[in-house]
Amino acid sequence: DVKVTQSSRYLVKRTGEKVFLECVQDMDHENMFWYRQDPGLGLRLIYFSYDVKMKEKGDIPEGYSVSREKKERFSLILESASTNQTSMYLCASTGTGGPGNTIYFGEGSWLTVV
Amino acid sequence: GQQVMQIPQYQHVQEGEDFTTYCNSSTTLSNIQWYKQRPGGHPVFLIQLVKSGEVKKQKRLTFQFGEAKKNSSLHITATQTTDVGTYFCAGGQAGTALIFGKGTTLSVSS
Repeated sequence: DVKVTQSSRYLVKRTGEKVFLECVQDMDHENMFWYRQDPGLGLRLIYFSYDVKMKEKGDIPEGYSVSREKKERFSLILESASTNQTSMYLCASTGTGGPGNTIYFGEGSWLTVV
Repeated sequence: GQQVMQIPQYQHVQEGEDFTTYCNSSTTLSNIQWYKQRPGGHPVFLIQLVKSGEVKKQKRLTFQFGEAKKNSSLHITATQTTDVGTYFCAGGQAGTALIFGKGTTLSVSS
């Protein structure tokens, strides 16, 4: 059974803290994604990676960075968390073959910045 | 840039009524995928359409891809409370990441 695992389900952080959201997939997928989901705004792509050490900006990369040192792991970093980054964050992965592959999502990480 | 619009944003129906959500792209798509997210859950893949005019069925769910490959619809016949959730379409083009619509949230009262 395919699996995308996000390390933290619920987090509460203070403004200005550095936050790491970790994601691991066990499907040997090349492509990994970070989205944030907010009411009325749907899924917005923050960053994606199509290979180890490669990254591409999505629609809303400001305030975020990512790291992909190993194929199975894709980390989202908030260098200095702000209250407007309170959201649900979804990690996802998919194999090669272009946009025709199914996207598998993790269970989500609910981040509250106070 | 490419946009995928989805309507309506919210829909409430009585159990047994039909439901339809529509997805429109500003550009021609190579494929379209549909996902369902239950309340408190994460999006789960339902189906993919790739051919112009394609129609696929999954029990009470009917998915269509338009002739011009710029629009799609998901129709649920005789809704049940288990259909509650948010339905997303996602449009693909070669060389780009899938673009998700904002989703249609369906609520069903019994």
